[in-house]
Amino acid sequence: QSALTQPPSASGSPGQSVTISCTGTSSDVGGYNYVSWYQRHPGKAPKFMIYEVNKRPSGVPDRFSGSKSGNTASLTVSGLQPDDEAIYFCASYAGRNNWVFGAGTQLTVL
Amino acid sequence: QEQLRESGGGVVQPGGSLRLSCTASGFIFRSYGMHWVRQAPGKGLEWVTFIRNDGSDKYYADSVKGRFTISRDDSENTVSLQMNSLRAEDTAIYHCVKDMDWGFGFWGQGILVSVSS
Repeated sequence: QSALTQPPSASGSPGQSVTISCTGTSSDVGGYNYVSWYQRHPGKAPKFMIYEVNKRPSGVPDRFSGSKSGNTASLTVSGLQPDDEAIYFCASYAGRNNWVFGAGTQLTVL
Repeated sequence: QEQLRESGGGVVQPGGSLRLSCTASGFIFRSYGMHWVRQAPGKGLEWVTFIRNDGSDKYYADSVKGRFTISRDDSENTVSLQMNSLRAEDTAIYHCVKDMDWGFGFWGQGILVSVSS
């Protein structure tokens, strides 16, 4: 069982927006602004999409955005494109030199 | 272009040892901390260990503390994971990951470790 809770699936039509949640506790998501998000296509290594809750690494489109409220972080994908179909998972620093992950959410572009 | 290539995986009996290596290229290796992250079959990702860019600090998940040791050789652009007293529950794909901004900035493809009699 993963430390962070994500919905197993999410979906949207091309051009729409979809938001994926990542729920932890005050010891991880709620306690630190070190939440990150990753995209994983089948057979590929995960790709770094969001760091420190809402910052995008160079090269990541601004269609991807992150936020946090309390113990829940969220990833929003706007203007859905077919290539956005992938598994998205979150991670958080959990204090005491420890990191935790979510189990991942399968995003389907209808 | 950044690359991380893991090697050294395979099948080992319970109680045995294995050493994973990860060779980096395409970035200034000595400037970055490095993680190992694993994913057991049918399970989510689990952070395993981290080493600072200068090797001054090493951190371990409770599940591997005392059995696994991370090290780095900046002259060879490699980070290694020595795994001792292996258990069935250590069976997983192990990814080498470049640390960035309190996140997992770049991932290797991963290598399979299978602990089985």
